[in-house]
Amino acid sequence: DQQVKQNSPSLSVQEGRISILNCDYTNSMFDYFLWYKKYPAEGPTFLISISSIKDKNEDGRFTVFLNKSAKHLSLHIVPSQPGDSAVYFCAASEWHNNNDMRFGAGTRLTVKP
Amino acid sequence: DTGVSQDPRHKITKRGQNVTFRCDPISEHNRLYWYRQTLGQGPEFLTYFQNEAQLEKSRLLSDRFSAERPKGSFSTLEIQRTEQGDSAMYLCASSLRSGGAWETQYFGPGTRLLVL
Repeated sequence: DQQVKQNSPSLSVQEGRISILNCDYTNSMFDYFLWYKKYPAEGPTFLISISSIKDKNEDGRFTVFLNKSAKHLSLHIVPSQPGDSAVYFCAASEWHNNNDMRFGAGTRLTVKP
Repeated sequence: DTGVSQDPRHKITKRGQNVTFRCDPISEHNRLYWYRQTLGQGPEFLTYFQNEAQLEKSRLLSDRFSAERPKGSFSTLEIQRTEQGDSAMYLCASSLRSGGAWETQYFGPGTRLLVL
C-alpha cells in the first residue's frame, strides 16, 4: 500500500533557479514528515523535517511546506546548486511510532550548471 | 564518528544459497533498523531493534529472513534459501532513543544483493 507518493520520478532545473519536489500521503495518522537525500552508492541522509503542528520549516536553502488538508508536502530548494543533484525521498510517520517510516519512491533531481 | 557501516557492500549469490549481511550502527545508538529497497522504490521497513530486543517485524520479513543483534551493538540479517525476488538493496539505519524527542535515523550505504 503506497501511503506516501512522489508522482514525479525526475525533475531537471537550471542552477540558481528554484527546485520544487512534491509528495502526497494518504494516511491521516501521519504527523511527522521528513525529506532524505540520496547520492549514488550512499545511504539516504536526513535533510529536513516538519511536524504536523507547523506548515513550514526552513533550513538555509531548504524549506518544507505542509498542507494537512490536502495531505501534501513540498520541498523547495532555493537557489538550486549542481551539488543538490540526487534522489530525494519523502517519508512520513506517526510521532509516537517513529520506528515505522513510510517512504515515497523518490524523485531524481538534476541541477544543470 | 564513523557513521553506520555495512558489510559487504555487494553480494552476488545463486538461488537457494544463504547470505548474511552485517550492520555496525553509530556507537551510542540504541536503535537499529533494517530496510529493503527495490529498484524504483523507496526504502521499506523490515524490522528494528532496541538494544538487543527485536521489537517489530514487517510482514515483508518472511520466515526465510532472520535478524539478530546479540549484544545490542552490531546486527546481522540472514536470508535463507535466497530467491530472485530477494534481489534488492538492504539498508541499515540507527538512531538514539532519548525521551520523547524525534529520533533521526542515520542510514548506512547499504548492501546490494543480486540473486542469480
